Amino acid sequence: AQKITQTQPGMFVQEKEAVTLDCTYDTSDPSYGLFWYKQPSSGEMIFLIYQGSYDQQNATEGRYSLNFQKARKSANLVISASQLGDSAMYFCAMSPYSGGYQKVTFGIGTKLQVIP
Amino acid sequence: DVKVTQSSRYLVKRTGEKVFLECVQDMDHENMFWYRQDPGLGLRLIYFSYDVKMKEKGDIPEGYSVSREKKERFSLILESASTNQTSMYLCASGTGTGGRKLFFGSGTQLSVL
Repeated sequence: AQKITQTQPGMFVQEKEAVTLDCTYDTSDPSYGLFWYKQPSSGEMIFLIYQGSYDQQNATEGRYSLNFQKARKSANLVISASQLGDSAMYFCAMSPYSGGYQKVTFGIGTKLQVIP
Repeated sequence: DVKVTQSSRYLVKRTGEKVFLECVQDMDHENMFWYRQDPGLGLRLIYFSYDVKMKEKGDIPEGYSVSREKKERFSLILESASTNQTSMYLCASGTGTGGRKLFFGSGTQLSVL
């Protein structure tokens, strides 16, 4: 079984500041993928970033980076230089590599509000 | 552009009705998923399918069934809708195993009265 825990229901950040959204996970699978998705008020789910469990380096995509600490089973999302358009729900997710197919499990999300 | 299309954006049904939610993807993905999204509970996996006619239960399958007769189409069925099934339903598709992102539909807001 796999589980994602996001303990911050809501976060505020000042525009242009950096913010870290927490995510911890639990799985018995030896290899897996970790993801972050953004859901603005429009409801669409937008893929942000991916980290493989065997990747040596932390993933980065523009202003997004994933702070992956395997021993702690954490996969925190860091957003640098926050913009007003970053206000949204953010979901952490994971999927094992085993079994030959995807089974993607999501956390409960964190609502981020960027203050001007 | 890749597309996952859900047949209805809003749906209102009565308790006890049989409800079909349809999802179609045009990316030839082998994996398809149904999630429900509720405030404070995030996205919870109902069922997923990794091939035609193949299905696996997710974390909350009770009260739901699914059908996948063609690769591009994945249907969620509420045999007898209940008020606690009022929710946003999201369909997604993907390919491969753990390392690939999902593509989502725009969601169906179902209200059961």
